[in-house]
Amino acid sequence: GQQVMQIPQYQHVQEGEDFTTYCNSSTTLSNIQWYKQRPGGHPVFLIQLVKSGEVKKQKRLTFQFGEAKKNSSLHITATQTTDVGTYFCAGRVLTGANNLFFGTGTRLTVIP
Amino acid sequence: ETGVTQTPRHLVMGMTNKKSLKCEQHLGHNAMYWYKQSAKKPLELMFVYNFKEQTENNSVPSRFSPECPNSSHLFLHLHTLQPEDSALYLCASSQGTSPYEQYFGPGTRLTVT
Repeated sequence: GQQVMQIPQYQHVQEGEDFTTYCNSSTTLSNIQWYKQRPGGHPVFLIQLVKSGEVKKQKRLTFQFGEAKKNSSLHITATQTTDVGTYFCAGRVLTGANNLFFGTGTRLTVIP
Repeated sequence: ETGVTQTPRHLVMGMTNKKSLKCEQHLGHNAMYWYKQSAKKPLELMFVYNFKEQTENNSVPSRFSPECPNSSHLFLHLHTLQPEDSALYLCASSQGTSPYEQYFGPGTRLTVT
């Protein structure tokens, strides 16, 4: 079945260091979304990528969608303590169900 | 954020109890979802409703029974649950089922004893 894997599962960084999480799908995706879940909170939508090779930026966050539309990445430059949380990618397959398949998530800890 | 509300926020129930989780969205969306979030597992989609009609049921055991009386309200009826059903149950809504982003509620932390 459809699987969306994320690596790493956990990441500890010193405040000010960069952070990247990678998302890989077993099948081609029509689009991919990224969500952030703060500790004790619920997932909050960050961004959606639709086009092959698309790159979008939100301040210190850079999102990429792979050329084959099977992988994506989120890069945070100069992390801050407010970046703490779990980052999930969620992909929608090209055909068939409209489900969003959520990745396993990367839990980011930022050490002040 | 108060766009999607869920009650109760915490629930402890025995395996023989019957309880219901409630979700309400104030965003004018047409699609609503139930997800299960367990430790060390991806978010699992349980049910999808679009314009009050159930469009997805991802092989969820019959001890979970959804109800969607209108586009703003979603219920999850629980009966004879198992301890492994303990998890955070999240409700979400979106404008449509694709390709719109989903807005999540705060969740109900369920413990089955």
